[in-house]
Amino acid sequence: DVKVTQSSRYLVKRTGEKVFLECVQDMDHENMFWYRQDPGLGLRLIYFSYDVKMKEKGDIPEGYSVSREKKERFSLILESASTNQTSMYLCASSTTRQGSNQPQHFGDGTRLSIL
Amino acid sequence: DQQVKQNSPSLSVQEGRISILNCDYTNSMFDYFLWYKKYPAEGPTFLISISSIKDKNEDGRFTVFLNKSAKHLSLHIVPSQPGDSAVYFCAVNTGGFKTIFGAGTRLFVKA
Repeated sequence: DVKVTQSSRYLVKRTGEKVFLECVQDMDHENMFWYRQDPGLGLRLIYFSYDVKMKEKGDIPEGYSVSREKKERFSLILESASTNQTSMYLCASSTTRQGSNQPQHFGDGTRLSIL
Repeated sequence: DQQVKQNSPSLSVQEGRISILNCDYTNSMFDYFLWYKKYPAEGPTFLISISSIKDKNEDGRFTVFLNKSAKHLSLHIVPSQPGDSAVYFCAVNTGGFKTIFGAGTRLFVKA
């Protein structure tokens, strides 16, 4: 079974800090994603990556960057945290090896609070 | 502008009855649709999907119906159980690795 692990379940940081959220998957998936989930807005895509060292902007990339140095690890970086980045962050992975419409597998999320 | 809309934020159903969750989309070019289920403090998990070449897909108690002319899909859960209480997200694979999610519907199944 696919396991997507996010390094922290809860995180509290201060405005202006640089924040790193880490995600690791164990199924050799090519594709990895970062979302944020906010009430009434569902899941919004921040960034995704379809290969090592490749990254693409999602719908709300402002204030974020990502890093994918190894296939299994995808990091989300808040360059200078702000209070409007308080949210639930979800990492996901998927593969296209069995076709183009495979579902995504999610981690349990990191609830980030910026004070 | 939301391309995938779930207009009901919540739904309450009695145990044993049918739950119907609805979803509308705007782009007739979308061709693959999924439902995910999310419990509190957990990530979403894939539940069921349907391709645009079909109008129905069934998996146990869960059935997804697709009405392409109306750009509408629905998830039926029969019979509903208390363990089905969760947030359900409708999603669309747009190709190019992207998936667009709706805002979710919180289902309460009362015992």
